[in-house]
Amino acid sequence: AQSVSQHNHHVILSEAASLELGCNYSYGGTVNLFWYVQYPGQHLQLLLKYFSGDPLVKGIKGFEAEFIKSKFSFNLRKPSVQWSDTAEYFCAVNAWAGGGADGLTFGKGTHLIIQP
Amino acid sequence: GAVVSQHPSRVICKSGTSVKIECRSLDFQATTMFWYRQFPKQSLMLMATSNEGSKATYEQGVEKDKFLINHASLTLSTLTVTSAHPEDSSFYICSARPGHLPYEQYFGPGTRLTVT
Repeated sequence: AQSVSQHNHHVILSEAASLELGCNYSYGGTVNLFWYVQYPGQHLQLLLKYFSGDPLVKGIKGFEAEFIKSKFSFNLRKPSVQWSDTAEYFCAVNAWAGGGADGLTFGKGTHLIIQP
Repeated sequence: GAVVSQHPSRVICKSGTSVKIECRSLDFQATTMFWYRQFPKQSLMLMATSNEGSKATYEQGVEKDKFLINHASLTLSTLTVTSAHPEDSSFYICSARPGHLPYEQYFGPGTRLTVT
């Protein structure tokens, strides 16, 4: 079974600061990696995903993430955050399970607060 | 495209009653649907995987007799919380995996269940 660890549970930044949220996973096989965002009172939205290929993936709203296989990491980054980025961020992973990807295993989430 | 809906969005029920939550893929056929649970300010936990026309597979610790899942068609899965108790109050979220895109998974908006 896979597991996901997000290192920062609460992060407070000022607008225009750079952001990096850590995510490590444990699984011996091939995985798909995701970052989701949940704005207050809203449902999950996919920020970006990695299946294969270029380990640096770009997502929506200026976010990107880098898959480093040797470190089992998939950290999320944004060079300059905005107040509207205040939200809960979840890293997630799933594995291929014969015929299709299986259910997602989520990290505990990082609550990001951007101060104006 | 790739829209998943859930109904109802909110439900309040009395302790001991049962409540049914529907998850529909609106513009694609979903051979597999997943049900997750999210407690307040916590992460999502995979409850079960349902495949169209077969019995659901439940994650360890999830009572299959309490959380009945039916995936009767390629666009509809239902979760019935039987004999609900206050501790079942939570946010229930489904996701659907398209048959033609086995790596993908699209989330519904969630259903907030409150048991009084």
